[in-house]
Amino acid sequence: GDSVTQMEGPVTLSEEAFLTINCTYTATGYPSLFWYVQYPGEGLQLLLKATKADDKGSNKGFEATYRKETTSFHLEKGSVQVSDSAVYFCVYSSASKIIFGSGTRLSIRP
Amino acid sequence: EADIYQTPRYLVIGTGKKITLECSQTMGHDKMYWYQQDPGMELHLIHYSYGVNSTEKGDLSSESTVSRIRTEHFPLTLESARPSHTSQYLCASSGGHSNQPQHFGDGTRLSIL
Repeated sequence: GDSVTQMEGPVTLSEEAFLTINCTYTATGYPSLFWYVQYPGEGLQLLLKATKADDKGSNKGFEATYRKETTSFHLEKGSVQVSDSAVYFCVYSSASKIIFGSGTRLSIRP
Repeated sequence: EADIYQTPRYLVIGTGKKITLECSQTMGHDKMYWYQQDPGMELHLIHYSYGVNSTEKGDLSSESTVSRIRTEHFPLTLESARPSHTSQYLCASSGGHSNQPQHFGDGTRLSIL
């Protein structure tokens, strides 16, 4: 069946390091893919999205490319900041279901 | 800024009490959802609605109930709270197509003593 597998955390990096959080999916159709971010004490916020193969979503220096050949939607940022410390969720959305990854906690050291 | 509002943000209450968690959105979205989020961060869908007078149970079994009498309002009720109901509850809404993102409220952190 359809599923989302997300890199387990926690992930701890130093400020200005390069970030990759892996996300892969299995799908029977053509889903839309999203990354959400959750800051402490808040709900989830949309970070970026891609609705079809080869689309690249980007926001606040984060990027992710919808790769159908590898069924992946990895989140990347070239230089992380302390303010990026949060939990990140990869999400799959199709006509019949929405599936959340298990979340990856990211901590950035000054 | 939030277009979806949850109240209360925090609630500490004794066992056996009836509780209603409120969720309202101003975006005119037909689809609304309730999630339970455990301390390990994972979200579990407990209820959803695709429009007025439509409600369905989600993937995680829950003793709570929901109603959808108005488009903008999707309250969740626990008739008799128990310590096992202690959790974070998140409400969300979205537009009609699957390529539309969900908008989340800030959540209600519920503690049952």
